[in-house]
Amino acid sequence: DAMVIQNPRYQVTQFGKPVTLSCSQTLNHNVMYWYQQKSSQAPKLLFHYYDKDFNNEADTPDNFQSRRPNTSFCFLDIRSPGLGDAAMYLCATSRDPGDSNQPQHFGDGTRLSIL
Amino acid sequence: DAKTTQPNSMESNEEEPVHLPCNHSTISGTDYIHWYRQLPSQGPEYVIHGLTSNVNNRMASLAIAEDRKSSTLILHRATLRDAAVYYCILRDEWNRDDKIIFGKGTRLHILP
Repeated sequence: DAMVIQNPRYQVTQFGKPVTLSCSQTLNHNVMYWYQQKSSQAPKLLFHYYDKDFNNEADTPDNFQSRRPNTSFCFLDIRSPGLGDAAMYLCATSRDPGDSNQPQHFGDGTRLSIL
Repeated sequence: DAKTTQPNSMESNEEEPVHLPCNHSTISGTDYIHWYRQLPSQGPEYVIHGLTSNVNNRMASLAIAEDRKSSTLILHRATLRDAAVYYCILRDEWNRDDKIIFGKGTRLHILP
């Protein structure tokens, strides 16, 4: 089935050690999103790509970067993870930005722990 | 963005209907009402959406008040698998920069 796949499901890294989370999609959607979800909180949008155009949320820390080498893949890079970056990171896709009739499709997330 | 208000948590018995309310008193004429849910250890999943008329799909029904200031997600026969956080979200049809902004949602507990 077409889907959004996030690998790995669980990632452990050390304080300050760069880490990359990956997301792939078989839906051929134009838009890919990254959300951060801390424990017992709602998901919070970090940024999104519309095709190759990168759109950063105003309050996303500079420590978070993203790459989208092609339609199918998108990466979240955390340059120097701090303890406060421990969270679930969710990837989502949609066909068209701003089309409120189109739902977003989410992966099951990568849970990041910082030692 | 227009905001929504939902109860923090609700309980329901298995195999009974569940009515999850959402208030959105500042909704604009071009806002769609969307519902997503998030099962434990999973990403959110789309449930249903509507503009003015009530909507039905295989997962749920959405009842929208005539003045559109509130809506209700209806699960017709709750199962244990329906235990999740349910998010009511407004999305602007005409805003090309529209994004999903999640509120706190309602945590639904299903009692066996």
